Amino acid sequence: GENVEQHPSTLSVQEGDSAVIKCTYSDSASNYFPWYKQELGKRPQLIIDIRSNVGEKKDQRIAVTLNKTAKHFSLHITETQPEDSAVYFCAPSTSGGGADGLTFGKGTHLIIQP
Amino acid sequence: GAGVSQSPRYKVAKRGQDVALRCDPISGHVSLFWYQQALGQGPEFLTYFQNEAQLDKSGLPSDRFFAERPEGSVSTLKIQRTQQEDSAVYLCASSPREGPYEQYFGPGTRLTVT
Repeated sequence: GENVEQHPSTLSVQEGDSAVIKCTYSDSASNYFPWYKQELGKRPQLIIDIRSNVGEKKDQRIAVTLNKTAKHFSLHITETQPEDSAVYFCAPSTSGGGADGLTFGKGTHLIIQP
Repeated sequence: GAGVSQSPRYKVAKRGQDVALRCDPISGHVSLFWYQQALGQGPEFLTYFQNEAQLDKSGLPSDRFFAERPEGSVSTLKIQRTQQEDSAVYLCASSPREGPYEQYFGPGTRLTVT
């Protein structure tokens, strides 16, 4: 099965600064790379995803970059705001997320300091 | 439109009792997933349905766990003879079809076994 590691486990940044979270995976057949955000007591929600034929994707302040050779992908959040405080999970998948269960990382707790 | 709903939202069971957790996916979604999320951890895959067919149950931790989706819509996760280690949030997610699509999560059922 897929081994997924996220780093760091906790990240504290000043409001307005950038945050980067890295996810490494083991299965070279992985072809779908989503990031989910989970606020305390709430459901996980997809914030951005990328497929294996694309190296980078951006949506306003959020971007994901993929390095398939090195088997890692990263979440980038710029101009961080208090509402970005949450736990972020990566969940690489070999079949695209719709047909197989996702393997989640252990999560990164992002804290935005005012 | 309505999102994924789950009931009950909270369940307290005495050790040894049976429980049934319900998931109503988004209407028309073909794929349905169950995950278990322990406190401070990422969701862990339990089982997957495509319509009424249970295509993957590799994540079910023991034969005390059983899931069904008889008409390809509503799903029930049943846990027999609950034990304290079953205490967790049980998340249901649905996806419109197979392939690289976002999974939409429900709010979860928090199960506490005393």
